[in-house]
Amino acid sequence: EAGVAQSPRYKIIEKRQSVAFWCNPISGHATLYWYQQILGQGPKLLIQFQNNGVVDDSQLPKDRFSAERLKGVDSTLKIQPAKLEDSAVYLCASSLVAGVSRETQYFGPGTRLLVL
Amino acid sequence: GQQVMQIPQYQHVQEGEDFTTYCNSSTTLSNIQWYKQRPGGHPVFLIQLVKSGEVKKQKRLTFQFGEAKKNSSLHITATQTTDVGTYFCAGPGGGSQGNLIFGKGTKLSVKP
Repeated sequence: EAGVAQSPRYKIIEKRQSVAFWCNPISGHATLYWYQQILGQGPKLLIQFQNNGVVDDSQLPKDRFSAERLKGVDSTLKIQPAKLEDSAVYLCASSLVAGVSRETQYFGPGTRLLVL
Repeated sequence: GQQVMQIPQYQHVQEGEDFTTYCNSSTTLSNIQWYKQRPGGHPVFLIQLVKSGEVKKQKRLTFQFGEAKKNSSLHITATQTTDVGTYFCAGPGGGSQGNLIFGKGTKLSVKP
């Protein structure tokens, strides 16, 4: 079974530039998550999709971050414009069943973003 | 907001020594999950605990869920260099969305 795919793996940009990340979850997984992991900290949820609808984006900085999940499969996360404090690893995860905290989350390899 | 606290933040051990990390919540948790993240890698699911007082073992790893379901621990017996990484606990984030709140993790280094 293929895992969660993410691209790019690394990205270096200057502040105020824009960047986009892509995620392809495990086939058949209803729920998709985007996390931000700052160095030395645990993953922090940015947004959660259930199929193609948003169920939690309470911690997404909506003035600069946006995300979509078209057709309930792939997802993109965009930052525009980027700030220095956005330097982090952006992890995508998926789980099979929607709306159940007991479900195992499967993480992708992440995108390491460095904002200069 | 809901938080999951984890201690210690770092642990350096000699190979063969035991290791324990602790996870605490101010609220009762319906379940708790543990993940391992190798250096440069991504979190990988280890186990989930659901029942009060539950104890589960995976080879040299022992996971416990407190009686009050507010704390949990992970104990590794006789650490090996392959155990190196950061161990995270995660509890439900509240609501019905099924999201998780992760602790800050305990970074384990093992000296051969």
